[in-house]
Amino acid sequence: EDQVTQSPEALRLQEGESSSLNCSYTVSGLRGLFWYRQDPGKGPEFLFTLYSAGEEKEKERLKATLTKKESFLHITAPKPEDSATYLCAVPARGAGGNMLTFGGGTRLMVKP
Amino acid sequence: NAGVTQTPKFRILKIGQSMTLQCTQDMNHNYMYWYRQDPGMGLKLIYYSVGAGITDKGEVPNGYNVSRSTTEDFPLRLELAAPSQTSVYFCASSAPGQAYEQYFGPGTRLTVT
Repeated sequence: EDQVTQSPEALRLQEGESSSLNCSYTVSGLRGLFWYRQDPGKGPEFLFTLYSAGEEKEKERLKATLTKKESFLHITAPKPEDSATYLCAVPARGAGGNMLTFGGGTRLMVKP
Repeated sequence: NAGVTQTPKFRILKIGQSMTLQCTQDMNHNYMYWYRQDPGMGLKLIYYSVGAGITDKGEVPNGYNVSRSTTEDFPLRLELAAPSQTSVYFCASSAPGQAYEQYFGPGTRLTVT
């Protein structure tokens, strides 16, 4: 069974304190790994797609990387507006191939 | 573009009542999805649709029904509500060829008591 595990569940940072969020997965034949950001009371918002080990994607203070067993979301010099829950997901095995299996998320809190 | 809209934002149901959660998207996306999100549990797929007239079960379909008569609308029906259906429900859509880049609505917070 495909599994996606995110750690830590919650992370408190001071503004400017860089860190990384982890997403580990156990799937056979990875067909991509996806990062989403979710603000409180809102739906998730798509951030990145990674398809192969070694691939990196960047957006402002965020950089996502992928290995054969896990992905990291690196946050450099975070600001309070980066506070959100970050979700990772992988395509699930199933009819139609359009299903995503999501991890439980990491709730990031950046204090000024 | 309004994107994906959902109504209502909040609803309280009594056990055994029924209701329909509405979802509309104006991006002409073929694919639409319904998820539920419980605290700390991530998102679970309830049903999805690859186009008008075509729907399929996701991971947790029991207690729910869907229909897709138009490209824009994808309502979710709860029959005989149970406390286990207390959750936040999100509708999402995506374009063919970018199925995993999903656009989410703002969610409906449902409480069943």
